[in-house]
Amino acid sequence: GENVEQHPSTLSVQEGDSAVIKCTYSDSASNYFPWYKQELGKRPQLIIDIRSNVGEKKDQRIAVTLNKTAKHFSLHITETQPEDSAVYFCAASKPGNQFYFGTGTSLTVIP
Amino acid sequence: EAGVTQSPTHLIKTRGQQATLRCSPISGHTSVYWYQQALGLGLQFLLWYDEGEERNRGNFPPRFSGRQFPNYSSELNVNALELEDSALYLCASSPQTRGETQYFGPGTRLLVL
Repeated sequence: GENVEQHPSTLSVQEGDSAVIKCTYSDSASNYFPWYKQELGKRPQLIIDIRSNVGEKKDQRIAVTLNKTAKHFSLHITETQPEDSAVYFCAASKPGNQFYFGTGTSLTVIP
Repeated sequence: EAGVTQSPTHLIKTRGQQATLRCSPISGHTSVYWYQQALGLGLQFLLWYDEGEERNRGNFPPRFSGRQFPNYSSELNVNALELEDSALYLCASSPQTRGETQYFGPGTRLLVL
């Protein structure tokens, strides 16, 4: 089955700086890569996703990049704000299959 | 459009008892996934149902079981509860098993005493 690794497990940044979280996957057939944000005591919520036919996708301060050859994808958050503090999960899946989640990154934005 | 709903929000049981957790997917979604999230940890995949059938299960003992009903709602049963079963149980739904986004419910927090 698929194996998704996520780094770092914890990340602290100053407000206004950028944050980058990286994930690698093992199954070259995986073609859908979502990112979820989970605030304390709340449900995971989709913040951005990318499919394998696209190399990069942006949504305001959030971007995701995908390198199919190297089998890794990254979440980039620019101009971080305290409300970005949360746990972020990456996932990988292929058609007809379940999601395989990374172990999560706890992001703290220091005001 | 209503989101994924779960009940109850909290459940307190004692060791050895059985727990039943319920999930209603978003209207039109046929796939339901169950995850266990122990405090401070990641999302551990439990079970996946689609069109009433169990498609896959994670690395959990058989005392974790469930089913999906004709209206696509789902039930997770945990028998012979153990202290380490205390966790947040999240349900997610997606339109079909074709790499579609999963949308999560608010979870059921199970405490085993």
